Amino acid sequence: NAGVTQTPKFRVLKTGQSMTLLCAQDMNHEYMYWYRQDPGMGLRLIHYSVGEGTTAKGEVPDGYNVSRLKKQNFLLGLESAAPSQTSVYFCASSHGQGVQPQHFGDGTRLSIL
Amino acid sequence: AQSVAQPEDQVNVAEGNPLTVKCTYSVSGNPYLFWYVQYPNRGLQFLLKYITGDNLVKGSYGFEAEFNKSQTSFHLKKPSALVSDSALYFCAVRDIRNFNKFYFGSGTKLNVKP
Repeated sequence: NAGVTQTPKFRVLKTGQSMTLLCAQDMNHEYMYWYRQDPGMGLRLIHYSVGEGTTAKGEVPDGYNVSRLKKQNFLLGLESAAPSQTSVYFCASSHGQGVQPQHFGDGTRLSIL
Repeated sequence: AQSVAQPEDQVNVAEGNPLTVKCTYSVSGNPYLFWYVQYPNRGLQFLLKYITGDNLVKGSYGFEAEFNKSQTSFHLKKPSALVSDSALYFCAVRDIRNFNKFYFGSGTKLNVKP
């Protein structure tokens, strides 16, 4: 009954450091997404994937990279963290067929000092 | 371009009173609309969706939403609010030209007071 699992839940980085956020889903969903949530701005799409081995840019992709080597996992990387990337990051997944809702993880709270 | 707007940052209601959280949309073609709820330190949870058919859509936890094509609105409603309904609510539209993308509103914080 796990659904979408994000690790880690919290992280503090220094400017210039790198890190990878992991998202895992056990629902056999084709589509996976990474969003960032900032106060008063709703959710903004960073990158998404429609299947294993494919990724695409969303609204705010700069400074981030992603990989989808396995269907169940979607990784978000920050190569050189900046304070502007302080945010709450959410992963979501959905079926590729039909108009299905997204299922969300509980988020990763990331602070860049 | 697809977009949704939630004109109210915050809505305050008393427990037992009806509640409405507003959402308007701008889309090309027929809209696919969603409502999600977010509790503190949690991810978004799906409440309901409109694809086609009846303008009144029923969802989880007693919530419903009314689709109004002429007013391009999709307001979330509940006849009798509970304190436990206090949360952040998001309206979203799915891009019909690109099913991969959802566009979210900025969110409305619902406060239900005892």
